[in-house]
Amino acid sequence: ETGVTQTPRHLVMGMTNKKSLKCEQHLGHNAMYWYKQSAKKPLELMFVYSLEERVENNSVPSRFSPECPNSSHLFLHLHTLQPEDSALYLCASSQDQSGQMNTEAFFGQGTRLTVV
Amino acid sequence: TQLLEQSPQFLSIQEGENLTVYCNSSSVFSSLQWYRQEPGEGPVLLVTVVTGGEVKKLKRLTFQFGDARKDSSLHITAAQPGDTGLYLCAGPLLYNFNKFYFGSGTKLNVKP
Repeated sequence: ETGVTQTPRHLVMGMTNKKSLKCEQHLGHNAMYWYKQSAKKPLELMFVYSLEERVENNSVPSRFSPECPNSSHLFLHLHTLQPEDSALYLCASSQDQSGQMNTEAFFGQGTRLTVV
Repeated sequence: TQLLEQSPQFLSIQEGENLTVYCNSSSVFSSLQWYRQEPGEGPVLLVTVVTGGEVKKLKRLTFQFGDARKDSSLHITAAQPGDTGLYLCAGPLLYNFNKFYFGSGTKLNVKP
């Protein structure tokens, strides 16, 4: 148990569906992240929120839409996805402390997404 | 191109053997983290190294941060089947604390 919970663990959706991934952290952190992990590719950073503001959008297609309503919750809204978007989507959180060198990211267990 | 290069990509060894995994970059990092990930699960943080030249030990695992904070290594002594997994190094660049870069990982298989 890392203190970061993702739901659902598994999701199968059609290309015309709309779904949302949810992430909740119980660590009191002020930064949250979405990563994508595809087979045989390294983790790709998608979005970063720090103090509920989006500080990074790593050229992610608009069919992925993040939302951070408060520092404990992060959503990833999905619509009109493609089969190549099938992957493990990982949420992480950290305590963003400017000037501190030992920032650590803690991950949820991920949502295995399959687009059919 | 990857900011963090890990080697080897794959490693299959017998129980009891020693191994070293490397994580290299041409950039300076504020710190480096090592994670272990099992299939279908999220990465689990093993250790963070912060100071150049730092060495940390976690039971049979020894982690080292390079003097210039551009590289790190993970050494496992007397590997066990429970050590099997994907080992990832990651970290934020110097003064860019909320953007974590990940290496491509080393897939370790320890055979009984």
